[in-house]
Amino acid sequence: AQTVTQSQPEMSVQEAETVTLSCTYDTSESDYYLFWYKQPPSRQMILVIRQEAYKQQNATENRFSVNFQKAAKSFSLKISDSQLGDAAMYFCALRAGTYKYIFGTGTRLKVLA
Amino acid sequence: DAGITQSPRHKVTETGTPVTLRCHQTENHRYMYWYRQDPGHGLRLIHYSYGVKDTDKGEVSDGYSVSRSKTEDFLLTLESATSSQTSVYFCAISEESSEAFFGQGTRLTVV
Repeated sequence: AQTVTQSQPEMSVQEAETVTLSCTYDTSESDYYLFWYKQPPSRQMILVIRQEAYKQQNATENRFSVNFQKAAKSFSLKISDSQLGDAAMYFCALRAGTYKYIFGTGTRLKVLA
Repeated sequence: DAGITQSPRHKVTETGTPVTLRCHQTENHRYMYWYRQDPGHGLRLIHYSYGVKDTDKGEVSDGYSVSRSKTEDFLLTLESATSSQTSVYFCAISEESSEAFFGQGTRLTVV
């Protein structure tokens, strides 16, 4: 069975500071993809970043970067220079084997002015 | 933005009535999914489709059925709605090597 675990239900960060959201996963597949999605109050699911398991280099998208530790099955998201607009629910997701996407329970990020 | 439209966006229905939610895509993506989102549970897969008339169950499929008679449409039916099916429902689409793209969500309330 494939699982995704987000152990931080809620996190807070001061504006302009850096925050890291944690995600661990489990799969027996060797070929898989990992994702972070952002869900603002509008409810829309927005892709933040993706990582292919075969790539050793950590993915980066502007202020967002990941720390992909394949052996530890860890996939954390780092948000640098946090902005008020970063406040949202963040979901970690895994796609492996079949084409199903498995999601974690989410982390609510609050950004303090 | 990926062309995915869910309808209706909001619905209130009574216990025991049938409900159908519709997902329509204009991207010609092969895979389509229905998820439900509940506090503390994240997004859980109800059913998914890997082609026209090809569907499979997800982790929370009891009480739900789906149909896909055309590439662009994926219907989710609650045969007899219950209060436990009050939730936000998301449709998503994907291709072989892509991320999932989501619709705007449907808030369903069963009273």
